[in-house]
Amino acid sequence: EAGVVQSPRYKIIEKKQPVAFWCNPISGHNTLYWYLQNLGQGPELLIRYENEEAVDDSQLPKDRFSAERLKGVDSTLKIQPAELGDSAVYLCASSLVGQDTGELFFGEGSRLTVL
Amino acid sequence: DAKTTQPPSMDCAEGRAANLPCNHSTISGNEYVYWYRQIHSQGPQYIIHGLKNNETNEMASLIITEDRKSSTLILPHATLRDTAVYYCIVRDNYGQNFVFGPGTRLSVLP
Repeated sequence: EAGVVQSPRYKIIEKKQPVAFWCNPISGHNTLYWYLQNLGQGPELLIRYENEEAVDDSQLPKDRFSAERLKGVDSTLKIQPAELGDSAVYLCASSLVGQDTGELFFGEGSRLTVL
Repeated sequence: DAKTTQPPSMDCAEGRAANLPCNHSTISGNEYVYWYRQIHSQGPQYIIHGLKNNETNEMASLIITEDRKSSTLILPHATLRDTAVYYCIVRDNYGQNFVFGPGTRLSVLP
């Protein structure tokens, strides 16, 4: 079974440029998360989707960050314009609500460097 | 904010048991204790979880105190590949988010 797939793995851009990250969750998983991870810190939740609905986007900086999950499957996270402080790893995870454990399955992440 | 506290780092000799503690003194009755680990340049990986009873799987054992205010993750025979950051998380199964703290950086030494 394929795991959570993210792309690109690495992205280097100049500040003020836009960037987008894509995530394909595990087939059948209805819940999708985007986390941000700064160096030396634990992942921080940006947004959580249940199917197509963003049920928790309270930590998403909406002035420059946006996300969508069309048809309740794939998701895209966008930053426009990027700032130096956005350099981090962006992690996508999925889970199946209603499953006994509800455990998260993570992708390998997309590492963003803003110059 | 994370509901758990963990030591920032620990060392363990290869082949010995690694015992990673976690305090969760404000845990509520319907919250589970989850453990994840993150190897360098990878996403976090689920290890084990429990509610009240001790749990064991092929990766580790989880010991939860009777008052549920703390727990210990045990890697019975640590290998160099167990070097990682280990996260302890408390969460219910009714839609709470997984909130990660800084975790414990375990270094397994040869």
